[in-house]
Amino acid sequence: TQLLEQSPQFLSIQEGENLTVYCNSSSVFSSLQWYRQEPGEGPVLLVTVVTGGEVKKLKRLTFQFGDARKDSSLHITAAQPGDTGLYLCAGDSGTYKYIFGTGTRLKVLA
Amino acid sequence: GAVVSQHPSWVICKSGTSVKIECRSLDFQATTMFWYRQFPKQSLMLMATSNEGSKATYEQGVEKDKFLINHASLTLSTLTVTSAHPEDSSFYICSARRDRVYNEQFFGPGTRLTVL
Repeated sequence: TQLLEQSPQFLSIQEGENLTVYCNSSSVFSSLQWYRQEPGEGPVLLVTVVTGGEVKKLKRLTFQFGDARKDSSLHITAAQPGDTGLYLCAGDSGTYKYIFGTGTRLKVLA
Repeated sequence: GAVVSQHPSWVICKSGTSVKIECRSLDFQATTMFWYRQFPKQSLMLMATSNEGSKATYEQGVEKDKFLINHASLTLSTLTVTSAHPEDSSFYICSARRDRVYNEQFFGPGTRLTVL
């Protein structure tokens, strides 16, 4: 069974701090997506990474795909209250179905 | 682009009734859609894969006779929860796969089902 473990599970930080969320697996993925979900809403796609070692930036968010395409990280610089939400990674094993990570719940305090 | 809608956004029904949830891709065609269930403060759990023009594929442990899926067109998939019971109360989310260079899924806003 493929699993995607995210760490930490919960994170509560002050506005302006930096943070990193990790997404780890023993399986190789053809691509990996990061989503953010707010309460009562569907997940919103933030980024797709496909190449081992790839780094993508989205304003204050930096995403990296591991060289072996088994893991990924999300780094947020100078977090803001608007970054609060559930962050989910999802790996595509090549069967069209996603394997979702366990989720990281982030709360940024003003 | 890549907008997915769901209807209704919330529904309350009595035990024993059936509820239909619609998932539409508004600005792209989706041969494949997915139905997920999400429990409070947890990640998404895939229930089934909906394929246009063919039978849905259900994940292990999901009752296909209870969760009926119909993917009648390239932009519409429906999930019908038959004879709903309180334990079926949950947040149901659909996604539509956009087949471009990458296999990306775009999610609807979800449907909150409460069975009394």
